[in-house]
Amino acid sequence: TQLLEQSPQFLSIQEGENLTVYCNSSSVFSSLQWYRQEPGEGPVLLVTVVTGGEVKKLKRLTFQFGDARKDSSLHITAAQPGDTGLYLCAGAPQGNNDMRFGAGTRLTVKP
Amino acid sequence: EAQVTQNPRYLITVTGKKLTVTCSQNMNHEYMSWYRQDPGLGLRQIYYSMNVEVTDKGDVPEGYKVSRKEKRNFPLILESPSPNQTSLYFCASRRRWGSNQPQHFGDGTRLSIL
Repeated sequence: TQLLEQSPQFLSIQEGENLTVYCNSSSVFSSLQWYRQEPGEGPVLLVTVVTGGEVKKLKRLTFQFGDARKDSSLHITAAQPGDTGLYLCAGAPQGNNDMRFGAGTRLTVKP
Repeated sequence: EAQVTQNPRYLITVTGKKLTVTCSQNMNHEYMSWYRQDPGLGLRQIYYSMNVEVTDKGDVPEGYKVSRKEKRNFPLILESPSPNQTSLYFCASRRRWGSNQPQHFGDGTRLSIL
């Protein structure tokens, strides 16, 4: 069982649609990070959320950290083909500095 | 340009033939780590290093060795590779050990062990 469960595992949508992907755990995290990975490349950090209930926006991407700091969501508005990629959440459980990754959500946005 | 560089990018080899994957970072980062990425399992940490001459096991260290003789380099060694080590490998670095620090990843090394 993964420490961080991401859902859905796969998502295929049309350009212009909205979507939300989730990252859930039974553990409390001091912070969570979201990365995007494109084929042939390593993951690239999108955002770090630190405070319970925090909402961060990055253009059309909105990241939220759950009040209890056990979960996070990523919402994309009006998805573009350029948003296609593998979205990974990662975090270190409270009291432990070893970063753990979820298995990822593979997003495909069709033109 | 700040980067993490891995070599080789691709390697096909045979069981038992020792190999080394190199990793170098130019950001003067203290913390470096190695991950393997397998379908449905995400990134799993193999080994990490908090600083020069300080290394420790991650979640899946069996069959791997590392060394950290210099701050910038963190090679991954497979002394006797086996087919179950066929995977996509990533080296990463961050400024120091701490959960809020962003990680910088290399572009990956795809290993196939026949």
